[in-house]
Formats: sequence, structure tokens, C-alpha cells
Amino acid sequence: KQEVTQIPAALSVPEGENLVLNCSFTDSAIYNLQWFRQDPGKGLTSLLLIQSSQREQTSGRLNASLDKSSGRSTLYIAASQPGDSATYLCAVRQGTSGSRLTFGEGTQLTVNP
Amino acid sequence: GAGVSQTPSNKVTEKGKYVELRCDPISGHTALYWYRQSLGQGPEFLIYFQGTGAADDSGLPNDRFFAVRPEGSVSTLKIQRTERGDSAVYLCASSNNVETQYFGPGTRLLVL
Repeated sequence: KQEVTQIPAALSVPEGENLVLNCSFTDSAIYNLQWFRQDPGKGLTSLLLIQSSQREQTSGRLNASLDKSSGRSTLYIAASQPGDSATYLCAVRQGTSGSRLTFGEGTQLTVNP
Repeated sequence: GAGVSQTPSNKVTEKGKYVELRCDPISGHTALYWYRQSLGQGPEFLIYFQGTGAADDSGLPNDRFFAVRPEGSVSTLKIQRTERGDSAVYLCASSNNVETQYFGPGTRLLVL
């Protein structure tokens, strides 16, 4: 059974810092990996999707990397802003389990002005 | 265009009652998913529809949970004999099978 773990569970940083969120998964036979953002009381917004054959994806100040063989992904946020405060969720899609996503528990990020 | 919508946004019920949660997917999306998110946890998969049929219902926790999608668009998640442990946010997502799942805002269910 696939298990996804995210470290740290919570992170508080001053505005302007660069930061890294970590995600690990136990079964490397994934189809893709996705990073989501969740604001309080809201649904999930997809940030980046990395196919299993890719090493990284970039969108603006966000960069996500994938090391499939070691079961790890990182989300790098450059020059953090208070508006980045949210919970960040990592999810993997198994190649053998259809379209379900298996999520980590999330990292709650607070960026202080 | 309109995103995924879910109704009601909040539902409070008593233990033992029956509840229905509705999901309106993005128009044209053939795939629809239900997830459940407990406080401080990531979402957990419940069921996945491709068109009208449930392609994978292995995440439903027990037979009190049932979901339908009779016309391949709107879906209803039904919970019988609700228990306090059913309290959670129920998330719906849809996809056109091109990879990204688009999530709705969720229904917050509280069972007293």
C-alpha cells in the first residue's frame, strides 16, 4: 500500500526566504506526482504536476523536483510572500491503481510579513 | 468557466441520520472522484467514476457509504446511519483524464 509522508508538518518563515518542502513515498511505481495548495476552508488548487519520466517542473517562483527511484519530491518556493501561506499537499498517482491520488498529510506554511 | 461545485457547503446532522452530498463537475469531464479529509490529514480516496459507472470504489469505508452518477455528470454521495466518525470534509474532483484533477470547495459534514 502506497504511503506518502510530508516533512515538516508545519513551517513558519519570514517574508523573502527561500524554502523547501519535502515529500516521500514508499512505492516508486508511480504514474505522476502532484503538488497542491489548500487555503483554509477551500478546495485544492493544483500547483505542479510531474510525470514519472520527468525530473522537475517549474512555475513562477515554484520548482518541484522528483527522484522516483528514491521515492522523494521537493517543492522549492523562492522569495516567499505572505500570500504563500497555506497548506501544501503532495499526492501521487499509482500507475497500477487507476486514477486515485494518494495524499500526504500536508505542510502548513506561514510566511510572516 | 465554472469549476467544480459542491452542495451543501456545510451539513450538520445527528447520529443515525441519512445524508446526501452533491457534486457538480466541470462540464464535459468524464471522470469524477470523491475524497474525504479529516482534520489535519490529507484527503483519502473514496470512489472514482468514469462516466456513469464506478470504476473504483475500493476506498468506501463500509456499506453505509454509497455514491451514484446516473447521467454521467452530477454525482451524489450517500451516507446511511451516520456516525460521529463520519465528520470530515468531503471533497469532489473532476477530470477530463488529461492528468490534473480539479477539486471543489468541499462539504463540511458534522455528525453530532
